[in-house]
This record gives sequence, C-alpha cells and structure tokens, in this order.
Amino acid sequence: GENVEQHPSTLSVQEGDSAVIKCTYSDSASNYFPWYKQELGKRPQLIIDIRSNVGEKKDQRIAVTLNKTAKHFSLHITETQPEDSAVYFCAAKGGYNKLIFGAGTRLAVHP
Amino acid sequence: DSGVTQTPKHLITATGQRVTLRCSPRSGDLSVYWYQQSLDQGLQFLIQYYNGEERAKGNILERFSAQQFPDLHSELNLSSLELGDSALYFCASSVNVYNEQFFGPGTRLTVL
Repeated sequence: GENVEQHPSTLSVQEGDSAVIKCTYSDSASNYFPWYKQELGKRPQLIIDIRSNVGEKKDQRIAVTLNKTAKHFSLHITETQPEDSAVYFCAAKGGYNKLIFGAGTRLAVHP
Repeated sequence: DSGVTQTPKHLITATGQRVTLRCSPRSGDLSVYWYQQSLDQGLQFLIQYYNGEERAKGNILERFSAQQFPDLHSELNLSSLELGDSALYFCASSVNVYNEQFFGPGTRLTVL
C-alpha cells in the first residue's frame, strides 16, 4: 500500500545551524510532495511543495529536493531560528489527491 | 488563516454518543478532505469529497460517515464513540484534485 517514511522523528539544533528532514515514499505514481509545519495544537500549514517534474525548489531559508529514482525527498532549513521549532510533516500525493503523511519530525531550535 | 473553517473548535462527549463535525471550504474550493490526528500521531486520511461526490476513502471506520452538501460544506459524523476516537479532526480543501490542500483549524474531540 501507499506509505511514507520520515526521519528523524526528533531533531535538535542550535540557532543558526541547518536542519534536514528526509522522507521516502512507496508509490511510484506519486507526483506531488508537500511539506507542512504544525505548531502545538494548531493546523498544519503548507510551507513548501514540489512536483515530480522539478528536482529542487527553494523559498528563502527553506528548500526541498526530490530524487524520483530513489523515491526520496528532503526538507532543508538553513539559518534556523527558534520560531522554526515545530513538528514538520512530509506527504506524498496518492490517488485522487489524498495525501499520505509521514509520521512527523519534532524540530527544536535552541537559542 | 487558511480560509477553511471548522466548527465546533472543541467537543467533549461520552462513549456511545454521536457527534457531527462541520467544515466549510475556502471560497472556490470544490474538494474537501478529512484527516484524523491522534495524540502524538501523524495525520491519517479518512475520506475525500469533490463537488458533492465521494472520491476516495482511507482508513475510515464504519462508525464514521461523511457527506458534502450542495453548498460544498461537509460534515463528518462519528457514532458509537469510543475512548480511542479522541483526536483532532482536520478538514482540508483544495480547488480541485490536483492542487495544494489548505487545512482548517481542526476540531478537538474528547470522548470520556
């Protein structure tokens, strides 16, 4: 079945360092990969996404890379700030646009 | 604010009861999705509607049902509630089945 694995489950960095979160998907037909940031008790917010015809996409301090052959995609956050602390979810689009989410990565950025 | 609204924000009920959660999509969005997020868990896809028709089902229990009305708002009905149904229930919407999904603020359901 459709599955998305996400690593690591927790990540602790110092302010200013970079953070990388990696995901692997199983459905080779997936062609859309969004990343959501969720603060405690709040809704998931779309922060960046990438489609399968693109290998990399960048938005200020956030970038996402996609390796379709290996079925891997990653989120890169540079110059991390305390307000980046949250749970980050990757997802892969399954049939009919349903999103299959990874288990989440709890990122803590320490001042 | 994503433009997706959900009511109520919180719901506390007892085992065996039935509740209805409501979602209004962003203006212009035809597709609505329901997700369940249990404590410290990821987001589990439940069901999707597009312009009033069911399009996809995930791991939705038989005790749960949903529908999308002509005005495009959607309701998720949960019956014979169990303690394990306590969770955050999110609704998301998108323009069509190809576009990004935007999430509502969620309904926190507590079953006592």
